Amino acid sequence: ELKVEQNPLFLSMQEGKNYTIYCNYSTTSDRLYWYRQDPGKSLESLFVLLSNGAVKQEGRLMASLDTKARLSTLHITAAVHDLSATYFCAVDYSGGGADGLTFGKGTHLIIQP
Amino acid sequence: GAGVSQSPSNKVTEKGKDVELRCDPISGHTALYWYRQSLGQGLEFLIYFQGNSAPDKSGLPSDRFSAERTGGSVSTLTIQRTQQEDSAVYLCASSLAPGQGKQYFGPGTRLTVT
Repeated sequence: ELKVEQNPLFLSMQEGKNYTIYCNYSTTSDRLYWYRQDPGKSLESLFVLLSNGAVKQEGRLMASLDTKARLSTLHITAAVHDLSATYFCAVDYSGGGADGLTFGKGTHLIIQP
Repeated sequence: GAGVSQSPSNKVTEKGKDVELRCDPISGHTALYWYRQSLGQGLEFLIYFQGNSAPDKSGLPSDRFSAERTGGSVSTLTIQRTQQEDSAVYLCASSLAPGQGKQYFGPGTRLTVT
């Protein structure tokens, strides 16, 4: 069974702190995506990770992929309130896109002043 | 267009009625995907189109669900004899080609079955 597990599912943190969201997946894949969703909104693409060891950074967010460990991380540096949202990781298991993306349950992130 | 568009944005229907949801992908994107997002099930993949063809319909929740895509562009997702458990946000996404980079998501259609 294809599984994508995120943890934590809920995270409340203070501005200025660092934290990491973890995404484990069950079956080999080298295509992993991170999305952000604000309340009542659709999914916004953050990162596309397409190879082992891939690292992408955008502002205070950095994502990495370890395909051997079947693990991706989303690291938040010096968090600010605007980063409050739900973050999803998603894995493309089919390679050709035919099975769509398998999503984790999402990490609901609240950043408090 | 500038992005993926979906209509209607909200739909309230009575149990047993049929509904049709529309998705207009980004121009030039050959791959189109439908997903469903609900509190209980999270984000679920429903169906994928490459051009006008859907190779695998097994992700559709029941035989009340059907989807088509015409002209390699607009897609419709039809739910017949709606049930309360069909209430969810239905999201459409498109990508340049299957498995090629990220999928761009539309704003979704919030379906409420009363």
